[in-house]
Amino acid sequence: QQPVQSPQAVILREGEDAVINCSSSKALYSVHWYRQKHGEAPVFLMILLKGGEQKGHEKISASFNEKKQQSSLYLTASQLSYSGTYFCGTEESAGTYKYIFGTGTRLKVLA
Amino acid sequence: GAVVSQHPSWVICKSGTSVKIECRSLDFQATTMFWYRQFPKQSLMLMATSNEGSKATYEQGVEKDKFLINHASLTLSTLTVTSAHPEDSSFYICSARPFNTEAFFGQGTRLTVV
Repeated sequence: QQPVQSPQAVILREGEDAVINCSSSKALYSVHWYRQKHGEAPVFLMILLKGGEQKGHEKISASFNEKKQQSSLYLTASQLSYSGTYFCGTEESAGTYKYIFGTGTRLKVLA
Repeated sequence: GAVVSQHPSWVICKSGTSVKIECRSLDFQATTMFWYRQFPKQSLMLMATSNEGSKATYEQGVEKDKFLINHASLTLSTLTVTSAHPEDSSFYICSARPFNTEAFFGQGTRLTVV
């Protein structure tokens, strides 16, 4: 089943923060976050493997809840370059290597 | 990072014809590749898992006779859209995960059937 992301879309001003959620109906093996610009391939942001894990780099971070059914992506002090569609790619079990992508969140940052 | 190359970037074909899309891993061997389809403003939907030397595994609802996948070598998978119709127009993208970490994607192919 496809994970559900919320919100579906968000508009920010430069410097504002945003949170994007990814929820699954079952426990996941891992969550991967990607950003996609229109007409381009998704670009990898980060991977979370452990329940309760939090990680990040620069102004983008993410968390994976203890039950491993929900992940959140945090964008702080947003920049124009953050605009795009964000997807969570989820693995239900180890060894399959295949992703099921979430429903997506369109983010637009305005100057 | 690993490089996945997809060709062509875009193609326009007439209804009823077939179109082949290639996905190559340039600096690693990929025993498994994945094919996704993405309609405008929608998510990437997994179509099938391409397995080197064996039959592809198709997701539920994907017609295997319409979307032929061949993974004849460790660096090449092809997707052929047979008897294409306008409703097959979409963005097709392949990926591979060589190190069981993140996926590396091809550039995608925009197919327009007229």
